[in-house]
Amino acid sequence: ETGVTQSPTHLIKTRGQQVTLRCSSQSGHNTVSWYQQALGQGPQFIFQYYREEENGRGNFPPRFSGLQFPNYSSELNVNALELDDSALYLCASSLDIFTDTQYFGPGTRLTVL
Amino acid sequence: AQRVTQPEKLLSVFKGAPVELKCNYSYSGSPELFWYVQYSRQRLQLLLRHISRESIKGFTADLNKGETSFHLKKPFAQEEDSAMYYCALSGVSGNQFYFGTGTSLTVIP
Repeated sequence: ETGVTQSPTHLIKTRGQQVTLRCSSQSGHNTVSWYQQALGQGPQFIFQYYREEENGRGNFPPRFSGLQFPNYSSELNVNALELDDSALYLCASSLDIFTDTQYFGPGTRLTVL
Repeated sequence: AQRVTQPEKLLSVFKGAPVELKCNYSYSGSPELFWYVQYSRQRLQLLLRHISRESIKGFTADLNKGETSFHLKKPFAQEEDSAMYYCALSGVSGNQFYFGTGTSLTVIP
């Protein structure tokens, strides 16, 4: 059984650019959630996808968008990057929408200059 | 508004001493509460959830709805317990999650 993987590990962008982060769910998991973790803070919920549909969203602007593919892998897209978007982005998968145990990936460290 | 509060950013205890990591929450409904842990150089992982009512690695947590608390306790701390601990909450539908800011626990040998 493979765990949750994320790519890339690190990324540097400049303000105003767009970025795409990728996540492969744990085998058999159909639900994926994305989180933003700023330095010294806890993870903040961005959104959740269940069977390719957005199922819940936190307090993030529309320039944060996502996709989930038929194989349940996922992307997080951020447009018009701002300096405050610099953070660790975590992906977590779970077995089912009603199963709350989440399995986290190692994260992608995004730096916006 | 939903919120999870962990009042202590840092907590140090001696090996063998009891440890309690505090967590308070506010939620308009029936939440599910969790403790997640992140050991050095490892991923965030679930430690325990209140509905399981189980003890993991000697840790327990009781949901106190009257005090809206979900404190994590262990009677005798071990060095391997040193880690970052996050309290988390989800709504009944499981499509919203809120984490606290975390408590870094150091167990002194």
